Amino acid sequence: GDSVTQMEGPVTLSEEAFLTINCTYTATGYPSLFWYVQYPGEGLQLLLKATKADDKGSNKGFEATYRKETTSFHLEKGSVQVSDSAVYFCALSVRGGGGADGLTFGKGTHLIIQP
Amino acid sequence: ETGVTQSPTHLIKTRGQQVTLRCSSQSGHNTVSWYQQALGQGPQFIFQYYREEENGRGNFPPRFSGLQFPNYSSELNVNALELDDSALYLCASSLRDSYGYTFGSGTRLTVV
Repeated sequence: GDSVTQMEGPVTLSEEAFLTINCTYTATGYPSLFWYVQYPGEGLQLLLKATKADDKGSNKGFEATYRKETTSFHLEKGSVQVSDSAVYFCALSVRGGGGADGLTFGKGTHLIIQP
Repeated sequence: ETGVTQSPTHLIKTRGQQVTLRCSSQSGHNTVSWYQQALGQGPQFIFQYYREEENGRGNFPPRFSGLQFPNYSSELNVNALELDDSALYLCASSLRDSYGYTFGSGTRLTVV
């Protein structure tokens, strides 16, 4: 079945450091890929998405490129802030944006940014 | 526009009981799906409703059931609660086959 694997956390960085959170996937068909962020006590918010190979999704200084050859969708940010502290989830959907099979999520990576 | 609202925010039930969780979709959205998020895990897809019918289901037993109403709000029902059902239950709404899922803040269910 479809699956998403992302790096274990917590990931602790200093403010203004460079961030990479690795994400790889296995899927039947051609998935769309997503990064969601979850702040404490809140639901999930879509951070960025990419719907086909070589697409780059970007938002709020975060970016990720859909790499079909390596089945990866790594999240990067050049300079993190304390406010970026949250749990980040990589996810895929094989049909559209979350069709009848829903979204398949990774286990999440807890990011902690220290001032 | 209002987002997705879920009720209640927290709930404690006893093993063997039944529970109903509620979700109001974002205005204009016609599809709703439910996810279970165990502590420290990613959300897992339970099922999706479109036009008041279930049109997709994850690996959950039949004691997990749902409803979608004409105003696109939804309920998740869980019968014969088990301790492992303790989790955060998330509702998400969207337009069918769009990429714009809006998630609610969830209902934290504790089964004792």
